[in-house]
Amino acid sequence: GQSLEQPSEVTAVEGAIVQINCTYQTSGFYGLSWYQQHDGGAPTFLSYNGLDGLEETGRFSSFLSRSDSYGYLLLQELQMKDSASYFCAVKSGGYQKVTFGTGTKLQVIP
Amino acid sequence: EAQVTQNPRYLITVTGKKLTVTCSQNMNHEYMSWYRQDPGLGLRQIYYSMNVEVTDKGDVPEGYKVSRKEKRNFPLILESPSPNQTSLYFCASSRTENFQETQYFGPGTRLLVL
Repeated sequence: GQSLEQPSEVTAVEGAIVQINCTYQTSGFYGLSWYQQHDGGAPTFLSYNGLDGLEETGRFSSFLSRSDSYGYLLLQELQMKDSASYFCAVKSGGYQKVTFGTGTKLQVIP
Repeated sequence: EAQVTQNPRYLITVTGKKLTVTCSQNMNHEYMSWYRQDPGLGLRQIYYSMNVEVTDKGDVPEGYKVSRKEKRNFPLILESPSPNQTSLYFCASSRTENFQETQYFGPGTRLLVL
């Protein structure tokens, strides 16, 4: 089956840069996605990597190395509103099942 | 406005009383999913659908049914709900274009089974 590992909690200072790592084990890999979820809200799509390399979207970047089964989300110029949970998710298999990690709770402090 | 809608948003029911949670998207997406979210467990996929009349089990399908008769709708059916199905449920739809996928989530349905 599929499994993903990401840190459970990360604390970072406002204005700084933080990296959230995700390692996965899966067969038939299609791509790695990242989502943000504020308490009480729905997950919001941030980024997707179907191919190796870096994808940049504003303050957020995501990286994928398929050979290492590893990816990360990079958040730059942290703002207080970035305090949320961040999930990585892998799409895999012939019918493209999706498996989420258990999430990383990011706390941004002044 | 592009969106995924779910109804109801909140539901309290009793064990064994059949219920349906509706999900609809207006983006003409082929791929749709249902997830449940429980504390400490993240989101777990219940069922997904690649297109009309094509559905498959996710990681936690027991006790659930789905159907995909139209592209825009993907209802989740609990034939005989039990307390362990108390959870927060999300429906989602996604598109893939040029190796880029974007998944959109509905607002969620909080279900309590007594």
